[in-house]
Amino acid sequence: EVQLVESGGGLIQPGGSLRLSCEASGFTVSSNYMSWVRQAPGKGLEWVSVFYSGGSTYYADSVKGRFTISRDNSKNTVYLQMDSLRAEDTAVYYCARHDSATPFDYWGQGTLVIVSS
Amino acid sequence: EIVLTQSPATLSLSPGERATLSCRASQSVSSFLAWYQQKPGQAPRLLIYDASNRATGIPARFSGSGSGTDFTLTISSLEPEDSAVYYCQQRSLWYTFGQGTKLEIK
Repeated sequence: EVQLVESGGGLIQPGGSLRLSCEASGFTVSSNYMSWVRQAPGKGLEWVSVFYSGGSTYYADSVKGRFTISRDNSKNTVYLQMDSLRAEDTAVYYCARHDSATPFDYWGQGTLVIVSS
Repeated sequence: EIVLTQSPATLSLSPGERATLSCRASQSVSSFLAWYQQKPGQAPRLLIYDASNRATGIPARFSGSGSGTDFTLTISSLEPEDSAVYYCQQRSLWYTFGQGTKLEIK
């Protein structure tokens, strides 16, 4: 059974850093594309970053230069390092699996990040 | 960036009625358009991919159509559990989502 479990969210002050984790089971993260998608309170979905199976990484303009996506194949886990956090980064962060032929078919339950002083 | 515009913003219908949700892209996305359902406190769930293909386990009352810039999600006979927000998403050029349509079942 495919499962994605996010962790690492919490309350952080503006300018601070946080690392989110997305542990996968039932499939191999290195064989798929893995994305982070966020949802601000009461708002819609926003794609944040992707780690392609070939190793390339890409970011939305809103987080470029501040967020870093990485992957640990030995732990079957994808990470999102978030630096220089802003109030507008407050959201539930989901990880999701996809690939070149399919959209986001499996999602985690999400982890809430609140950036506030 | 490809912008997806969904309409209407809110839809209120009764059980058994037909729901038609629209998604329009700012430029062609070919058939690389998906639909997701999201209920409060839950992650999105994939319903339709590549414009018209139902995802695994999705009831036949859900169907998708369209190509290029205009797409439609149809729910043929509404059930109470269909109350949710529905998002379209394109993967033709990066990944963007529409702003969502809230479907209320009376």
